[in-house]
Amino acid sequence: GDSVTQMEGPVTLSEEAFLTINCTYTATGYPSLFWYVQYPGEGLQLLLKATKADDKGSNKGFEATYRKETTSFHLEKGSVQVSDSAVYFCALSDNTGGFKTIFGAGTRLFVKA
Amino acid sequence: DTEVTQTPKHLVMGMTNKKSLKCEQHMGHRAMYWYKQKAKKPPELMFVYSYEKLSINESVPSRFSPECPNSSLLNLHLHALQPEDSALYLCASSQEGRGGALGTDTQYFGPGTRLTVL
Repeated sequence: GDSVTQMEGPVTLSEEAFLTINCTYTATGYPSLFWYVQYPGEGLQLLLKATKADDKGSNKGFEATYRKETTSFHLEKGSVQVSDSAVYFCALSDNTGGFKTIFGAGTRLFVKA
Repeated sequence: DTEVTQTPKHLVMGMTNKKSLKCEQHMGHRAMYWYKQKAKKPPELMFVYSYEKLSINESVPSRFSPECPNSSLLNLHLHALQPEDSALYLCASSQEGRGGALGTDTQYFGPGTRLTVL
């Protein structure tokens, strides 16, 4: 079945460091891919998404490119801030009908001042 | 307005109690979801309503009973819960036009209800 694999955390970075959180997926169809972020004590918020191969999603300095050849959707940010400390979930949803949104296990990011 | 609201924020209940969680959105979304999230885990889907009809029940125990009174409201009725049901319960909604595949649209999540079962 479809699945999402994220790098294990926690990831600890200093402010202004470069961030990469790896995400790979397996899917039988042509999924849409998402990154959601969950700040402490809150629900999930969509960070960015891409709906087809080679699309790049971007928001708040974060970027991810839908790579069909490597089945990846890695999240990057050039310069992290303390306020980026949160849990990041990679997710996919299958466009072939019926509900299939599958979340990765989540990666916790700590950014130190 | 891109907000999903949930009440209460926190709930503590005994195993013999009956309580309800409430969720509301005014974005005109026609799909609404209940998820359960345990600490340090991703959300697990429980139920999906599409156009106020139950579309998906992910084999959830009958002590959880969902209800969708109208297109803006979603309830989760709780009865005879177990301590292992303690978790963060998240509501979400998405646009989902007719013919769309559920889950392909962006989901908007509420802040959740932190449930503790004693």
